[in-house]
Amino acid sequence: GQQVMQIPQYQHVQEGEDFTTYCNSSTTLSNIQWYKQRPGGHPVFLIQLVKSGEVKKQKRLTFQFGEAKKNSSLHITATQTTDVGTYFCAGPLGEYGNKLVFGAGTILRVKS
Amino acid sequence: NAGVTQTPKFRILKIGQSMTLQCTQDMNHNYMYWYRQDPGMGLKLIYYSVGAGITDKGEVPNGYNVSRSTTEDFPLRLELAAPSQTSVYFCASSYLTPSTDTQYFGPGTRLTVL
Repeated sequence: GQQVMQIPQYQHVQEGEDFTTYCNSSTTLSNIQWYKQRPGGHPVFLIQLVKSGEVKKQKRLTFQFGEAKKNSSLHITATQTTDVGTYFCAGPLGEYGNKLVFGAGTILRVKS
Repeated sequence: NAGVTQTPKFRILKIGQSMTLQCTQDMNHNYMYWYRQDPGMGLKLIYYSVGAGITDKGEVPNGYNVSRSTTEDFPLRLELAAPSQTSVYFCASSYLTPSTDTQYFGPGTRLTVL
């Protein structure tokens, strides 16, 4: 079945360092979505990428969607303690795209 | 708008007991979903609904049942609870399909089965 894989599983960085998480799908996606979950919290939508090769920025966060629409990345510049949490990518699944399949997530910890 | 609300926040069940996790959304969303999240893991889809009266299985439906009698409510029923159902359960909703829309999550229900 369709799978969405994320690496790394875990990353511990010093505050001010950069961070990148990568997402790969076994099939072409109509869109890729990114969510953030703070410790003890619930997933919160960050962004959706739709176009091949699309790049979007939100302040220190840069999101990319691959040309083949099968991979994506999230890059955080100069991490802050507020960036701590788990970052998930997700893509639509099934004939009608009625279901979202999530990657396992990348846990980010930031040392101050 | 309250968004997506879930009750209870926490629950401890004994093996074999049953319970219903409640989920309500006030955004007039058509689509609703139930996920479970095991420690350090991603989200696994249990059941979803594309509208009132229509439900379908997700990736891990065994041991669960759902109903969708109204647009607002999407309860998840656990029959004969087992330790393997210890998890955090999230309800989510969206106006359109994941092909075009994003999901809004509730705060979650943390369930322990002993």
